[in-house]
Amino acid sequence: NAGVMQNPRHLVRRRGQEARLRCSPMKGHSHVYWYRQLPEEGLKFMVYLQKENIIDESGMPKERFSAEFPKEGPSILRIQQVVRGDSAAYFCASSPQIAGGTYNEQFFGPGTRLTVL
Amino acid sequence: QKEVEQNSGPLSVPEGAIASLNCTYSDRGSQSFFWYRQYSGKSPELIMFIYSNGDKEDGRFTAQLNKASQYVSLLIRDSQPSDSATYLCAVNRDDKIIFGKGTRLHILP
Repeated sequence: NAGVMQNPRHLVRRRGQEARLRCSPMKGHSHVYWYRQLPEEGLKFMVYLQKENIIDESGMPKERFSAEFPKEGPSILRIQQVVRGDSAAYFCASSPQIAGGTYNEQFFGPGTRLTVL
Repeated sequence: QKEVEQNSGPLSVPEGAIASLNCTYSDRGSQSFFWYRQYSGKSPELIMFIYSNGDKEDGRFTAQLNKASQYVSLLIRDSQPSDSATYLCAVNRDDKIIFGKGTRLHILP
């Protein structure tokens, strides 16, 4: 059973370019979460998605950032017009859908390290 | 008050001793509590979760939860150098998990 996959593992962009980060959840998982981690900082929640739905995007910056999880294919985190402050590790996590359950044990992908020059 | 608070450390523990990591949380409605381990440059790895008051043991790890005090801890017995990492406490809020900043643990050989 493959784990959560993310690509690319490393991404270098110049200021003003677009960054596109991909995440494929574990098989059987229908919930995807995106986090950002700055050096020496904890994980900051960005967005929670289910297939074709954004459930909670309270952690997403208001501008330049968007996320989707289409019916087919991976979840995409898109950052437009990147700035140096966007340099960070971006982690995706997935969890199974537990009918009637309240816990959402999450499994993390290896992350994408974005560097903005 | 931050939602999930941890001492950032570093916490230095001699090899073979017990490492004790602590975490407090602010939302009394939280029901699920997690400990993740993160090695430098790697992704977080789930090592323990606990939902009920009391202790939960798994090998050398014991998670302790006290909902009345809004306190959760992780004990690592017989600490090994390979346990040196950052330990992230996480608590559910609604449908998402909120992480603390983590405690850096250093096991001294």
